[in-house]
Amino acid sequence: QSVLTQPPSMSGAPGQRVTISCTGSSSNIGAGYDVHWYQQLPGTAPKLLIYGNSNRPSGVPDRFSGSKSGTSASLAITGLQAEDEADYYCQSYDSSLSGRGVFGGGTKLTVL
Amino acid sequence: EVRLVESGGGLAQPGGSLRLSCAASGFTFSSYEMHWVRQAPGKGLEWISYISSSGSTIYYADSVKGRFTISRDNAKNSLFLQMNSLRAEDTAVYYCARDGASGWYWGQGTLVTVSS
Repeated sequence: QSVLTQPPSMSGAPGQRVTISCTGSSSNIGAGYDVHWYQQLPGTAPKLLIYGNSNRPSGVPDRFSGSKSGTSASLAITGLQAEDEADYYCQSYDSSLSGRGVFGGGTKLTVL
Repeated sequence: EVRLVESGGGLAQPGGSLRLSCAASGFTFSSYEMHWVRQAPGKGLEWISYISSSGSTIYYADSVKGRFTISRDNAKNSLFLQMNSLRAEDTAVYYCARDGASGWYWGQGTLVTVSS
């Protein structure tokens, strides 16, 4: 059971917009901790996609955006492309788990 | 460029031991907190251990507490994970990750298989 809750799977057609949710609680996202998002392509390591709730590292297309409100965060992908098919994970911290990272269970995104 | 390279994975018998290493480059290793995270086949990411930049503060997930030991050598820009009393359920890809306000950076991972 993951501390952060994500939908296990989502799908969308090329060109569409999808939004992946990440729901936490008052001890993690709601406590003000930043949320980071990672993309994991099959057989590869997680790659940083969004940091600090809504910031994109250099090289990440602006089709990817992040937001946070209350005890939840979201990752939006616009203009869906075939290469976006991957697993996506949200990550934050929890005040009851000092130093530990907490993750969502991951969302498998399928591009139809 | 930030680079983390794990090594030391392989096949171990139940009850056996392995020592993982993570070589860091491209940043001031001694300034960063570090983590080990694992991913069992077909599963999600599981945080397993944390070490502060100086090495003075350490945390473990309950699933590995008492069996795994995290350590670091800041002079050699290296992070380690000593894994003892290995179980079948420890089979996973093990990643080292650099903490930071700008998100975590991950190594490529090393596969640990525990089987007789």
